[in-house]
Amino acid sequence: QKEVEQDPGPLSVPEGAIVSLNCTYSNSAFQYFMWYRQYSRKGPELLMYTYSSGNKEDGRFTAQVDKSSKYISLFIRDSQPSDSATYLCAMPHSSRRALTFGSGTRLQVQP
Amino acid sequence: ETGVTQTPRHLVMGMTNKKSLKCEQHLGHNAMYWYKQSAKKPLELMFVYSLEERVENNSVPSRFSPECPNSSHLFLHLHTLQPEDSALYLCASSQDRASGGQETQYFGPGTRLLVL
Repeated sequence: QKEVEQDPGPLSVPEGAIVSLNCTYSNSAFQYFMWYRQYSRKGPELLMYTYSSGNKEDGRFTAQVDKSSKYISLFIRDSQPSDSATYLCAMPHSSRRALTFGSGTRLQVQP
Repeated sequence: ETGVTQTPRHLVMGMTNKKSLKCEQHLGHNAMYWYKQSAKKPLELMFVYSLEERVENNSVPSRFSPECPNSSHLFLHLHTLQPEDSALYLCASSQDRASGGQETQYFGPGTRLLVL
């Protein structure tokens, strides 16, 4: 079983839709969680991170963590064509000097 | 220059060539990383350097050889690669905490490598 599972998509939505992106993880050692956004031909850029269960909001983006279910989500409200990118969840392991990434979900927002 | 820069952005090489990828971070971080990103696969960690010492080598073939001359620069030397090594190679940096944890990793734009 992979440590982090993420549906690769692609996910295609119309402009203005609410988007839900999800990851599940198996290792309870993961203590905090990140979402990266990667545009085509660019490196990943940090979008949001959260340490605890519950919701964290930043503009149109909301990160949600449910540690009891080992499930994290990223919601995008009022999605825009500029949100079209690959979204990767990532988790720093407490004893490993690296991030464990999901495979990424490719999102396409149609104008 | 700001953030993390990588050169070249694109590289085509034959299987017998020797080339090097360069990464430079302008963030004052003390840890640097090489990742490999292949199509439809998760990012794969290759090497980690902390305070210029290699602290992780993730079972990478010897045809990839990293070098970290100082905390701002990281190289990946390539020799006799295979076509399956074609991928996007990403460099990242972060600030390692004394407690052993780490802060957020910041990525460069990557070098897209094609091995013929």
